[in-house]
Parts: sequence; C-alpha cells; structure tokens
Amino acid sequence: AQKITQTQPGMFVQEKEAVTLDCTYDTSDQSYGLFWYKQPSSGEMIFLIYQGSYDEQNATEGRYSLNFQKARKSANLVISASQLGDSAMYFCAMRPYNQAGTALIFGKGTTLSVSS
Amino acid sequence: ETGVTQSPTHLIKTRGQQVTLRCSSQSGHNTVSWYQQALGQGPQFIFQYYREEENGRGNFPPRFSGLQFPNYSSELNVNALELDDSALYLCASSWRGHTRPSEQFFGPGTRLTVL
Repeated sequence: AQKITQTQPGMFVQEKEAVTLDCTYDTSDQSYGLFWYKQPSSGEMIFLIYQGSYDEQNATEGRYSLNFQKARKSANLVISASQLGDSAMYFCAMRPYNQAGTALIFGKGTTLSVSS
Repeated sequence: ETGVTQSPTHLIKTRGQQVTLRCSSQSGHNTVSWYQQALGQGPQFIFQYYREEENGRGNFPPRFSGLQFPNYSSELNVNALELDDSALYLCASSWRGHTRPSEQFFGPGTRLTVL
C-alpha cells in the first residue's frame, strides 16, 4: 500500500530563517512523482515543487527545494529565508507514473507558523 | 489562462439531502479529480474523470457520483448526505498525456456543512 507520512504536526520559525518539513513515503512502484502543496487558510491547494523518482538532481523552485533521498524514501521540503506569507499548511503527496485513474496520495500535513 | 473554479464556495445541507458541486477545469486540461478533505486531514481521493468517464475511484460509497462534460467541466453529486460528509471538497484538473504524472491544479474548494 502507498502511504505518505508527515511526522511534524506543527513547525515554528522566525522570518528569514530556513525550515525543513519532513516527508517519508512508502510505495512498491518503481516510477513515481513526489509533490509538495501549500494550503493557506483560504483552502486552495497551491503546487510548490515536483520530484520524479528517476530525477538525479534535487528539485528547486525559487526558495523551495526538495531534499530527495530515494534509498531512505524521504522527500523533505526546505524553505529558505522564510516569510510571513509562508504561514500555512503544507502537504507532501505522491502519485505513480503512467497509471490511469490514479490520484495524489497525501500526508496529514504540517502547519508552518512564521513569526516576525 | 483560466484557473480551476468551483461553485458554490459554501453550502449548508441537512442529513438525507442531496448536493451537487461544480468544477470548471483549467484551460487545456482533460482530466478532473475530486478530493474530500476533512478538518485537520489531508485530502482523500474520491474519483477521477477522463474523457467523460470515471477513470479511477477511491474508497467512497456509490452515493458519491460524478459527471464530466465535453468541455471537461465536472460535477460531484452526493446523495443521502451524512454528518461525516461535512468537509472541504476540492477539484483538481490536469493534463493526461505526459509520461510523468503532471501537476494537478486545484480549485479553491467548496466547504460543505451537513447538519
């Protein structure tokens, strides 16, 4: 069975500091994608970053980077230089390649609070 | 480029009633997925539509049903509402055709309250 585990219910960080949000996954598929989404209090899920299981380099998107360790089945999100607007819920998700009809499997999320 | 839109934004129903939620997919996308997100939880996959047919389903009973229209918009119907159906319902659109799973772009959601 496929599963995403996010063990940090809440994280607190000060502005301009970096923060790492943990994510581990379990799958028997060889080809899959890993995603991170941000959900502000408004409810909309905002796509942040993607990592393919065969990508050799860690993905980066602006202040977001994904620390992908395939052997450990972890896909941690690193946010550099935190901003007040980063306060939100963050979800790690996974989806196998080339499987019609499959969808994202989400973890339970981590609430990030950024203070000034 | 128009993003994913959902209507209504909020809805209050009573137990036993039926509800229809609507979603317009992002321009150029051909696949719509629906998710249920209970308070404090991650979204749970309900089903997916591709080319107007249900193309995958999560662990939800048959009283959850849907439609996809030729313009790729979609509806989620829930019959015989139960208190536990109270949740945020998210619609996500994507393009199938890539070799890698494409990003799913989410709408703002419909918050359903069942009394």
